Parts: sequence; structure tokens; C-alpha cells
Amino acid sequence: DAGVTQSPTHLIKTRGQQVTLRCSPISGHKSVSWYQQVLGQGPQFIFQYYEKEERGRGNFPDRFSARQFPNYSSELNVNALLLGDSALYLCASSSGQGSDTQYFGPGTRLTVL
Amino acid sequence: AQSVTQLGSHVSVSEGALVLLRCNYSSSVPPYLFWYVQYPNQGLQLLLKYTTGATLVKGINGFEAEFKKSETSFHLTKPSAHMSDAAEYFCAVRSYNTDKLIFGTGTRLQVFP
Repeated sequence: DAGVTQSPTHLIKTRGQQVTLRCSPISGHKSVSWYQQVLGQGPQFIFQYYEKEERGRGNFPDRFSARQFPNYSSELNVNALLLGDSALYLCASSSGQGSDTQYFGPGTRLTVL
Repeated sequence: AQSVTQLGSHVSVSEGALVLLRCNYSSSVPPYLFWYVQYPNQGLQLLLKYTTGATLVKGINGFEAEFKKSETSFHLTKPSAHMSDAAEYFCAVRSYNTDKLIFGTGTRLQVFP
């Protein structure tokens, strides 16, 4: 079975631009979470979506938004990019139930110049 | 609120030596605890998790961890290090009713021949 997939793998943008990152969860998983991992740090929680509804939001500005589609794939959008948004963006999927494990994708490396 | 502290940002061991990576957590509710490994330019892979039940948890690649409530610890161990164990290791905590993982800052493990 395919794992969590993310696209694109790498992205270079300039300050002020907008970016959209995509994630496809493991088949059968209904929950998708997004994390930002700045170089040298642990991942930071951005959003969780379950059954197309936002279930949780981390401490990120409103420039960050996300949505989940009927097929449970998800997009993360970041507007008005700043240099500090340069990071590895990780997507994780799970069933969304109880103690189920979250499985991570390979990430999208975003560089803002 | 929940938090994770990983003592030691870098740990170096010789091949065949014991690996001990330390993790302490803070949680006002019974925690779920996780160890993930990250190889360069890759996403996170689950090593093991504790939810309920037996406090000694065995994971993949010979790793294990013990949940000690009295010490609020969840240290990761492996009896004999292998060169392929060189990677970044993250401890994480979450509560039962959310997918939000809170990560530590990570420990980079180096293994010398």
C-alpha cells in the first residue's frame, strides 16, 4: 500500500508570494495533520483536519490556512511568504480514532528567498 | 499543557555500544508517548509508542522504551548500536483526544566504527 504522499518535494518562492502544498493520506485514513519543521528543531503542529472539518489549530498566523477534500487529501496554503517560513512541511495521516498512529509523508522543502 | 524535553542534542556512541536517548514529558492528562526517527532529507518514521498497558514498549530495529510515570520519563534504548542507527530522534507526546503531537527538539545520534 502507498504511504502518505506529498507534492511538490521542493519549492522555491520569494517573499510576499503564496504557496500551496498538497498531501494524500494513506488509503482509509480520514485525518490529516500538518507540521512545520524549521532546520534544527522538532516539528511544530499547524493544523489537523478530520472528515473535512478543522479539528485543531496550532499557534500560527492567519497567513496559514488548510482544507481537506472529500477524498481526504489536503492542501496547506501560506500567503504573504516570509523568510522565516522556510522549512520542511510535513503531512501526517491517521484514522483519527483513539490511540491510532500518525504516519508521516516525506515532506515538502520550502525555501523563501 | 503538554511539553517534551530531550536531554542532549547530540549523542555519540561506538558501534556495538548501548544507546540511551533521554526524554522527559509534562502532561496534565495521561499521555500517549512516541519516538520517531528521521533520516536526512526524509520524513518521520515511528519507532515505537506507548498508549496504555505494559510500560516497557518494544519497537522496530531493536529499540525499546520504558514509560516511568513517577519520573515522567520515556527514555529510548538499544543494547547495541549499529552504523545505520545514525539519525535524528524525536520524542513526542499527545493526549488521547487529539492528533496533535508535541515534539521535543530532537537528539542527533552519531555512531562511530
